[in-house]
Amino acid sequence: IVLTQSPATLSLSPGERATLFCRASQSVSRFLAWYQQKPGQAPRLLIFDASSKATGIPVRFSGSGSGTDFTLTISSLEPEDFAVYYCQQRSNWPITFGQGTRLEI
Amino acid sequence: QVHLVESGGGVVQPGRSLRLSCAVSGFTFSSYDMHWVRQAPGKGLEWVATISFDGSNEYYVDSVKGRITISRDNSKNTLYLQMNTLRVEDTAIYYCAKDVGVQAWSYKYFDSWGQGTLVTVSS
Repeated sequence: IVLTQSPATLSLSPGERATLFCRASQSVSRFLAWYQQKPGQAPRLLIFDASSKATGIPVRFSGSGSGTDFTLTISSLEPEDFAVYYCQQRSNWPITFGQGTRLEI
Repeated sequence: QVHLVESGGGVVQPGRSLRLSCAVSGFTFSSYDMHWVRQAPGKGLEWVATISFDGSNEYYVDSVKGRITISRDNSKNTLYLQMNTLRVEDTAIYYCAKDVGVQAWSYKYFDSWGQGTLVTVSS
């Protein structure tokens, strides 16, 4: 299953709302996760099963969607949110990731 | 506190072998499926392999099947990745990662990651 993320780069300012998209080439039901990766660091799980928040993730992060179209929303950007975001599906083998969205200031 | 530490990376010639290790602590290793995920320099994430909590099942991305083997030693709290017949395109940071779910309730999402170990395949 191919995951296509858009946009490739998103330029916003702190305090603004960010909306990131992930589209699957076929239905993944709700079996989709979102990760955040900062330079030189391992990825961090934010959201799993489309909308469930991982432990310790701030309330400003939320996920939605089902089937083929998914959204990650950051309600009000903090300086530490500028990073690369990946979606990942686990509906079918092989597990696949999207190509990433770079969220920049 | 969950902790995963990879080791074993380095520079290796094409066609040679390397074994990566991932030592874990802070959770009951034998209850969780474990995964390897890699990231080529400047590129995105690619899932490589998964092993079930008891070692009874293994899954691989097609590009590594027949060359790479995932294994675990639950008595040593250690995950392994045996990499044979390495190719230039295997060059990447290799991360080990813990599954979100426990035992039969594996989620195949990754909630804890190591810092990664760099494998460079070059002549």
